Amino acid sequence: QKEVEQDPGPLSVPEGAIVSLNCTYSNSAFQYFMWYRQYSRKGPELLMYTYSSGNKEDGRFTAQVDKSSKYISLFIRDSQPSDSATYLCAMLNAGNMLTFGGGTRLMVKP
Amino acid sequence: GAGVSQSPRYKVAKRGQDVALRCDPISGHVSLFWYQQALGQGPEFLTYFQNEAQLDKSGLPSDRFFAERPEGSVSTLKIQRTQQEDSAVYLCASSLVAGSLAGGRIANTGELFFGEGSRLTVL
Repeated sequence: QKEVEQDPGPLSVPEGAIVSLNCTYSNSAFQYFMWYRQYSRKGPELLMYTYSSGNKEDGRFTAQVDKSSKYISLFIRDSQPSDSATYLCAMLNAGNMLTFGGGTRLMVKP
Repeated sequence: GAGVSQSPRYKVAKRGQDVALRCDPISGHVSLFWYQQALGQGPEFLTYFQNEAQLDKSGLPSDRFFAERPEGSVSTLKIQRTQQEDSAVYLCASSLVAGSLAGGRIANTGELFFGEGSRLTVL
């Protein structure tokens, strides 16, 4: 079993929909939680990171962490075709090593 | 340039050939990471440098993989006697500061800046 599990999708939604992306993890040592976006044939780019349980909002994006359930989510409001990409959750422990989920491919159709 | 630069972008090798992949991190970045990303998968950690010191190579899959960063700037990932299972995108990432939880600096180390990757295909 992988330390970080993520549904690979693909997830196809119409433009304007609310998107929910999720990851579960098994390692309690993870302390920081990130979401990366990766366009086709590009490197991942950091979208958001959080430390504590709760919500963090940045524009159309909201990251949610529930440490007690070992579950994190990324919500995208008013999704746009330009949001079509692979979304990777990633987690950081004290050793500074990022552990990534497998990524969820999102397609937003106009 | 302003970002992490990797070369070559695409490499096709015959099984058994040696390959070398180059990473030019953002100027002044202390930390440098190599990741391997198989098709449809997330990046998997290979190795980590802090300046010229290779502090962690626990992710290297075999002794055919070797990485160096001799002057604490450019890094090279070398794969000897390539096998088909080595086919993947090799991502390099750099970060401004050294990895540490001390003083809350982890907030900076969490932001890794990735290059576009080197796609290796072994025939």
